[in-house]
Amino acid sequence: DTAVSQTPKYLVTQMGNDKSIKCEQNLGHDTMYWYKQDSKKFLKIMFSYNNKELIINETVPNRFSPKSPDKAHLNLHINSLELGDSAVYFCASSQTGRGQYPPDTQYFGPGTRLTVL
Amino acid sequence: RKEVEQDPGPFNVPEGATVAFNCTYSNSASQSFFWYRQDCRKEPKLLMSVYSSGNEDGRFTAQLNRASQYISLLIRDSKLSDSATYLCVVNIAGGYQKVTFGTGTKLQVIP
Repeated sequence: DTAVSQTPKYLVTQMGNDKSIKCEQNLGHDTMYWYKQDSKKFLKIMFSYNNKELIINETVPNRFSPKSPDKAHLNLHINSLELGDSAVYFCASSQTGRGQYPPDTQYFGPGTRLTVL
Repeated sequence: RKEVEQDPGPFNVPEGATVAFNCTYSNSASQSFFWYRQDCRKEPKLLMSVYSSGNEDGRFTAQLNRASQYISLLIRDSKLSDSATYLCVVNIAGGYQKVTFGTGTKLQVIP
């Protein structure tokens, strides 16, 4: 059973296009995240949702719009794709999303490798 | 200063060796600490949480030094399968967690 799944795994598209990435978790977690890992392998948080509510919104261009239809799903839509958007996008989930004891472990999906030409 | 800093490596060590990585963090309010492992072209996976008193899981030992604001990971008896990038993760205290990942330390265990 896949705990956190993402589709598609690979996405190759032209500059200016609009694309979506989907994420689903079957762990019953309350919180889901989107991360971007660039070519230098730096993993940076973009958004976080808790029970469908946006709780973290880092400095990300408005072209990126997350949507959480329910707490098991978090999708990412990207408008007007740019070359610099090429990266691996990871979805993750955790039980509560709160910094507490015991530590709240994040479980990652396999990633979506986006290439913008 | 970066929020979480790691030596990128690579650390090239022979099988059976002991290797240690450090990670420093800048925010003294940080509360939770983790080591994640990321294999090439794969997702990060939790290796272990880091507790104040230090903790051990088999060949892996994690330590936290709050006074100097660093955490460490010690790997004993390195195996070829330990080759990966090790990510230091720090959670800022208060409310919903905002974890910050270090850029990772690459380990290559050589036969």
